[in-house]
Amino acid sequence: GAGVSQSPSNKVTEKGKDVELRCDPISGHTALYWYRQSLGQGLEFLIYFQGNSAPDKSGLPSDRFSAERTGGSVSTLTIQRTQQEDSAVYLCASSLLGANTGELFFGEGSRLTVL
Amino acid sequence: AQSVTQLGSHVSVSEGALVLLRCNYSSSVPPYLFWYVQYPNQGLQLLLKYTTGATLVKGINGFEAEFKKSETSFHLTKPSAHMSDAAEYFCAVSPNSGNTPLVFGKGTRLSVIA
Repeated sequence: GAGVSQSPSNKVTEKGKDVELRCDPISGHTALYWYRQSLGQGLEFLIYFQGNSAPDKSGLPSDRFSAERTGGSVSTLTIQRTQQEDSAVYLCASSLLGANTGELFFGEGSRLTVL
Repeated sequence: AQSVTQLGSHVSVSEGALVLLRCNYSSSVPPYLFWYVQYPNQGLQLLLKYTTGATLVKGINGFEAEFKKSETSFHLTKPSAHMSDAAEYFCAVSPNSGNTPLVFGKGTRLSVIA
């Protein structure tokens, strides 16, 4: 389809394991964002990629979290040594314009459960 | 820095009644303001946005919001609720320049009672 695609849609893992979440943005969108949605906490900004600029990593909660965007398209969010508090829905979004001016198009999210 | 406060994590209205979802923001520079909606098991989608110009903004599905600078508010309204409006609504803010990602509120879940 033409929308933002995320995989897996659901991931159950054991505490201490590493996980990778994938985001395939809309073709041609230069900006890509990761947010985390926890119950009662709304959307928490994690990281933002804009074109070839250095990513804005200011929202990453710890050094266990990292993300990369290869070739200006697909992005992978990696969580190392997962903890139970990492359980949440991880949302990816992309936009054609800059962060504050363009409409963000969201994927349906990857639900992570850490046992 | 920007922040958003949504008053009421859950709002319940009767079908046909007025919908009012409250959003107050804090911004050190003139803001851009947004409302997003998330239907069950779906991703978020833009409902409406204020950037410049007219302070009363109309969005999809009959929703509108008014930017009130003096009150630092951007409340979302709809004159008559429909069952299909049941969803979670998020207010978001960003500065009107630069490349700062949106800051979202914690969301308000709207229930519509028949």
